[in-house]
Amino acid sequence: DIVVTQSPLSLSVTPGESASISCRSSHSLLRDRGSHLEWYLQKPGQSPQLLIYFTSIRASGVSDRFSGSGSDTDFTLKISRVEAGDVGVYYCMQSVRTPRSFGQGTKLEIK
Amino acid sequence: QAQLVQSGGGMVQRGESLRLSCVGTAFNIDPYAMHWVRQTPGKGLEWVAVITHDGSGRYYADFVEGRATISRDNSKNILYLEIDSLREEDTAVYYCTRDEKVAGNYYYYYGMDVWGQGTTVTVSS
Repeated sequence: DIVVTQSPLSLSVTPGESASISCRSSHSLLRDRGSHLEWYLQKPGQSPQLLIYFTSIRASGVSDRFSGSGSDTDFTLKISRVEAGDVGVYYCMQSVRTPRSFGQGTKLEIK
Repeated sequence: QAQLVQSGGGMVQRGESLRLSCVGTAFNIDPYAMHWVRQTPGKGLEWVAVITHDGSGRYYADFVEGRATISRDNSKNILYLEIDSLREEDTAVYYCTRDEKVAGNYYYYYGMDVWGQGTTVTVSS
């Protein structure tokens, strides 16, 4: 099975600053058109919501302050100009192979 | 707006069975692969199971393999997850979600873009 590892596990960010989360896979996530890596945000008390798929494609309605990059086994989610509404737990997930696997989650807090 | 509405869940005793349901509203589930994902207390997300759009393929996480059955009734626009021999460690919030879409001979992937509201399963000894 593919193991996905996130870092850091927690972040405290001042509003207006940027934040980055790293995600590393134990196996290559390359297939077909690109790397099958997604980012999800779970806000407090809510279901997860899709932010990014295929490494860098923003889901419908997602702010351009969120950007994804990387390839193969190393990926990054960057949040620009962090806002109070960005708080929650961010997860990466690989979708190249079943069973799917999520990272441990990164908790974002506002200073 | 496409939504997934979940039902089922609740408190059960160890060893008992439970069936969760997930109904698609404002969209048809039949072209989509459907998944169950869970979140155990204080922990992260865990993928549980997937069923292909036509039900021909079903895959499970190791921790439910042999105890769970994912199924769907496309005529009723509904997805199910039944778990037998429940254990305390199955206590979690369970979510249904969709991803890969089939159209003719083509597959389209846009991520897990619609999620249910979650349903809580509590297993006690």
